[in-house]
Amino acid sequence: AQSVTQLDSQVPVFEEAPVELRCNYSSSVSVYLFWYVQYPNQGLQLLLKYLSGSTLVKGINGFEAEFNKSQTSFHLRKPSVHISDTAEYFCAVRINTGNQFYFGTGTSLTVIP
Amino acid sequence: DVKVTQSSRYLVKRTGEKVFLECVQDMDHENMFWYRQDPGLGLRLIYFSYDVKMKEKGDIPEGYSVSREKKERFSLILESASTNQTSMYLCASSLPRDRGRWQPQHFGDGTRLSIL
Repeated sequence: AQSVTQLDSQVPVFEEAPVELRCNYSSSVSVYLFWYVQYPNQGLQLLLKYLSGSTLVKGINGFEAEFNKSQTSFHLRKPSVHISDTAEYFCAVRINTGNQFYFGTGTSLTVIP
Repeated sequence: DVKVTQSSRYLVKRTGEKVFLECVQDMDHENMFWYRQDPGLGLRLIYFSYDVKMKEKGDIPEGYSVSREKKERFSLILESASTNQTSMYLCASSLPRDRGRWQPQHFGDGTRLSIL
């Protein structure tokens, strides 16, 4: 069975500090990896995706993530956060076979002024 | 830009009612999905559809059914609403594989459903 683990349910961080949101997955087959952001009372918006190629992926709003196959991880990073980055972040995996996406339980990022 | 529209942002219904949640996408996507989102549980897949009139159960289909009569519309039906179905419901759509690679999902803004 596939699973996606987001190790931190809540991450408080001061404005302009760096942040890393962790995501690990379990799969024995090829995967495609995504990070989504959800602002209050909104749906999910795609931040970035890894489909193939370079393991360092850059997304919107200054976020980036690195696919590490040996560690089965896809951690999200930003070097300097803004107040507007306060939101819920979801890691998602889609395996090479099958139709489903698998989502982590989310990490609530709170940026403190 | 892809637009996924859910018919209601907030909905309040009574137990035992039959409830319809509607979702429309404007990008001719083959794949459509219904999730429910609950605190601490993340997103859980209820049903998905990979083509008109085609559907497959997700992780938590009990108490729900779906309808996909047209490509752009995917409806979620609560046959007899119960209080444990109070939740945020999210609809999503995506293209099928492109050269063997899955494409990301695009989400609607969600429907917050309360069953009293």
